[in-house]
Amino acid sequence: GAGVSQSPSNKVTEKGKDVELRCDPISGHTALYWYRQSLGQGLEFLIYFQGNSAPDKSGLPSDRFSAERTGGSVSTLTIQRTQQEDSAVYLCASTALLATYNEQFFGPGTRLTVL
Amino acid sequence: AQTVTQSQPEMSVQEAETVTLSCTYDTSESNYYLFWYKQPPSRQMILVIRQEAYKQQNATENRFSVNFQKAAKSFSLKISDSQLGDTAMYFCAFTYSGAGSYQLTFGKGTKLSVIP
Repeated sequence: GAGVSQSPSNKVTEKGKDVELRCDPISGHTALYWYRQSLGQGLEFLIYFQGNSAPDKSGLPSDRFSAERTGGSVSTLTIQRTQQEDSAVYLCASTALLATYNEQFFGPGTRLTVL
Repeated sequence: AQTVTQSQPEMSVQEAETVTLSCTYDTSESNYYLFWYKQPPSRQMILVIRQEAYKQQNATENRFSVNFQKAAKSFSLKISDSQLGDTAMYFCAFTYSGAGSYQLTFGKGTKLSVIP
């Protein structure tokens, strides 16, 4: 079956512009994660969605970052007023219901470059 | 807070040889999971192997095996009979059940090059 997909694959934007990154999880997966992979900070957790529960936003680096998940499926990560330090690869992962740990399946990521 | 440390930024190995990647972690949790992920140039993170902390037996997956030393908080990855396709970034990762979200904490990664 289809894996996790993300779009766009690459995004170049100018400082100060807003960007939206999209994640399509594996069908039926109720949990969805966003991570950021940057040269300086490595891989960092950003936000987590599980079903209809309130998201865990504890990893979002600033209030310029927000995310939503519509209908328990597709998720959009929005970065407002982008800064050069936002340049990174943004990875999305999904997994089945968390009765216990289940493998997180990752998408190919979106490479964001802020000029 | 949980931390994961990979002390080898880069390593190389001859094709068909064996290589070991190191990872140490710090946690006060008792119920946790450890992983090695592979990230080739395509950026796709692929799970290589996982280890549950409560299991004493080291996990193995074909050519990949781990040496899990719980008391020392060490979790190394051994790749046997290295192949050119093993060339990638390798990340050690940790998660635990207490947080509820099972979010992953990653090390900085080791860039492995397999030389023909």
